[in-house]
Amino acid sequence: DSGVTQTPKHLITATGQRVTLRCSPRSGDLSVYWYQQSLDQGLQFLIHYYNGEERAKGNILERFSAQQFPDLHSELNLSSLELGDSALYFCASSPRQGGLEETQYFGPGTRLLVL
Amino acid sequence: AQKVTQAQTEISVVEKEDVTLDCVYETRDTTYYLFWYKQPPSGELVFLIRRNSFDEQNEISGRYSWNFQKSTSSFNFTITASQVVDSAVYFCALSGYNQGGKLIFGQGTELSVKP
Repeated sequence: DSGVTQTPKHLITATGQRVTLRCSPRSGDLSVYWYQQSLDQGLQFLIHYYNGEERAKGNILERFSAQQFPDLHSELNLSSLELGDSALYFCASSPRQGGLEETQYFGPGTRLLVL
Repeated sequence: AQKVTQAQTEISVVEKEDVTLDCVYETRDTTYYLFWYKQPPSGELVFLIRRNSFDEQNEISGRYSWNFQKSTSSFNFTITASQVVDSAVYFCALSGYNQGGKLIFGQGTELSVKP
């Protein structure tokens, strides 16, 4: 158990809908990262937050947004969902501001299925 | 551009065999970190090891060992006396300078250890 929690574990929804994925980092960690794992794209970095502020963006669609709250939990919002958004979404956390040396500890993931 | 290549998509071995998972990376950074993660059938990503670009010493942890060679841009992972519980997908990842903490993952190698 990495100490990172994600809810829900599974989510089934329809095209065009909006969902929110939630992540709580390890106790004391200030950085949160979101990744998407799909069969065709593999593991792709989406976005990084440090202490409530966005630090880096990856291949995140405009339909997707995220935020990190004062209690350091983070939410990833996916809207106007398409079939291709079906994937496993991981949250990870690290102790500080996300330097290249920091190990990222991953949560169990949220498996999203868009029908 | 930064890239990680795991050329072996699937490997199948019989229990107690040794197996090496290959990882080749590309980066122009002089300072970078390399990681290995394990994704068992349950789906979570488990951190295994972190290595910085200035430390080329091989590392051994129980049945696991890692061979880092800058000259060939490789960071290979060997499991000695494999066990059924080693069956998983293994990912190699790269973290570079000024990347905002982004991990760049290889496509993964699925290891199947048969009894």
